[in-house]
Amino acid sequence: QSALTQPASVSGSPGQSISISCTGTSSDIGGYDFVSWYQQHPGKAPKLMIYEVSNRPSGISYRFSGSKSGDTAFLTISGLQAEDEADYYCCSYKSSSTLVVFGGGTKVTVL
Amino acid sequence: QVELQESGPGLVKPSETVSLTCSVSGGAVSSYYWSWIRQAPGQGLEWVADIFYDGITNYNPSLKSRVTISLDTSKSRFSLKLISVTAADTAVYFCARGAPISILGAAPKYFDSWGQGILLTVSS
Repeated sequence: QSALTQPASVSGSPGQSISISCTGTSSDIGGYDFVSWYQQHPGKAPKLMIYEVSNRPSGISYRFSGSKSGDTAFLTISGLQAEDEADYYCCSYKSSSTLVVFGGGTKVTVL
Repeated sequence: QVELQESGPGLVKPSETVSLTCSVSGGAVSSYYWSWIRQAPGQGLEWVADIFYDGITNYNPSLKSRVTISLDTSKSRFSLKLISVTAADTAVYFCARGAPISILGAAPKYFDSWGQGILLTVSS
């Protein structure tokens, strides 16, 4: 069981917007702005999409955005495209002996 | 553009000790965390351990008794040693670079570069 809770799957049609939630506690998401999101295509390494809640690394499309409310973080993908079909993982710093925690992952399907 | 490349044996027997190495190129090892993250077949990501460039280490408590991470700055590579392996350790092991929360370290706040991953299978 993962420390952060994500929905197992989210789907949407091309051009639509979808959001993925990631729920933690006050010891991780709720207490710090060190939330990151990763995209993983099958057989590939994860790729950083969002860091520190809402920042996009260079080269990441503006269609990807991040936010946080309380103990829950969100990744929003706008203008959904076929290439966005992948697994997405949230990650957070945690003020405990387990310093880094991941969500269980969300499979995004483009209908 | 920093690049990371994992290496090591693909298959080990239960109870054995295994070492994985990550070679870093295109960037300095200073000022960053160097981490191992694994993914069991069909499962999610699990943080294993990391080491700051100054040698300070952090371990996942669930693995701490069996894992050792080390860094060779002169060769720009870091390694993970896992003892007494079982089938539950079968996973793809990724090495990654972590940006530190502060200049003093503490922990990585995100991972901005990843290796392609290496599959470690534990089987007799």
